[in-house]
Amino acid sequence: KAGVTQTPRYLIKTRGQQVTLSCSPISGHRSVSWYQQTPGQGLQFLFEYFSETQRNKGNFPGRFSGRQFSNSRSEMNVSTLELGDSALYLCASSPGQGRTTEAFFGQGTRLTVV
Amino acid sequence: AQTVTQSQPEMSVQEAETVTLSCTYDTSESDYYLFWYKQPPSRQMILVIRQEAYKQQNATENRFSVNFQKAAKSFSLKISDSQLGDAAMYFCAYRSGMNRDDKIIFGKGTRLHILP
Repeated sequence: KAGVTQTPRYLIKTRGQQVTLSCSPISGHRSVSWYQQTPGQGLQFLFEYFSETQRNKGNFPGRFSGRQFSNSRSEMNVSTLELGDSALYLCASSPGQGRTTEAFFGQGTRLTVV
Repeated sequence: AQTVTQSQPEMSVQEAETVTLSCTYDTSESDYYLFWYKQPPSRQMILVIRQEAYKQQNATENRFSVNFQKAAKSFSLKISDSQLGDAAMYFCAYRSGMNRDDKIIFGKGTRLHILP
């Protein structure tokens, strides 16, 4: 079974630009969550999508948005990039229903804003 | 709001020895799950072990075991017979069992060094 795939692995953008990151969950998983990891703040929850609907959202500005497609693949978008958006962005996939609790993570996208 | 605290930013242990990583959490919920994740230099987050709050028995996975003290809201990870491959960042994490979403709350992490 293929794992969680995040693309691209590395990205360098300029301040003010926008960026789109992609996450393909494990086949059959309907929940995709996004996390931002920085040395200072650690791992912070961005948002979670289940069956194309956002179920929860973290405390991030509106520049951070996401969506999920009917095949459960998810994208997150950051507009008007700031230097502080430089981080590792991790995507996690899970079945999304029932008592199954394990989340499987992708290898992340390293975003550098210059 | 729930919080997870890891008070040890870094730890070192001699190869083949035992080490315990500490974690405390705060919640008013009765139904929740606790996890330890490992993040090696490859950045891939790997689930090490999980514990359901309603289970009194401590979870064990091979060389990894937890000491779950529900009343004290403590969830420590013990690694026995430490191996070089255990070197990584370890994150303690919490997931509500009462919410419909899959949001996970992470601690700041403990970097574990294995000394040969």
